Amino acid sequence: RKEVEQDPGPFNVPEGATVAFNCTYSNSASQSFFWYRQDCRKEPKLLMSVYSSGNEDGRFTAQLNRASQYISLLIRDSKLSDSATYLCVVNTGGFKTIFGAGTRLFVKA
Amino acid sequence: ETGVTQSPTHLIKTRGQQVTLRCSSQSGHNTVSWYQQALGQGPQFIFQYYREEENGRGNFPPRFSGLQFPNYSSELNVNALELDDSALYLCASSENRGGEKLFFGSGTQLSVL
Repeated sequence: RKEVEQDPGPFNVPEGATVAFNCTYSNSASQSFFWYRQDCRKEPKLLMSVYSSGNEDGRFTAQLNRASQYISLLIRDSKLSDSATYLCVVNTGGFKTIFGAGTRLFVKA
Repeated sequence: ETGVTQSPTHLIKTRGQQVTLRCSSQSGHNTVSWYQQALGQGPQFIFQYYREEENGRGNFPPRFSGLQFPNYSSELNVNALELDDSALYLCASSENRGGEKLFFGSGTQLSVL
């Protein structure tokens, strides 16, 4: 079993749609959680940290369920510019930061 | 811009050769992590350097080695290149060695022929 597993993609949605990505992690001792965004052939960039109480940044909402070892990302009112790969990232303490394989999103006009 | 720079941007090598990739960390960051990203996969952790010492290592063979310098810049060395080493190599810097946000450079695309 992979340490971080994400929904297989790609997701194809129209502009204005709401889309949700899911992620599960295997290590119950995991401490920090993030979503990164990666554009084609570019480096990953931090989208947002994920907190236990859930957090929102504009059109993006992240949720964490420690009991189920589950993380989610919700994007509302999708824009063409949201097209990218979204990486679920978990830190298990210290140096070990694990990336999921990513979920590809295509937003079409 | 993250302030993390990597060189070179692209590199072509042949099997059996050796390669050195370089990374300058963001100002104020003392930790550098290296990742390998194959096409269609997420980044895989190679190792991390904190204040010039290796602080942790992923599941990569010893022919992958590194250095960190007093100014916190870093090198990744790969010996005896194999075809499967073809990938995007990403360097990420962070403020400290435990769980902080990572700031990536734009990567070095390595092709092994």
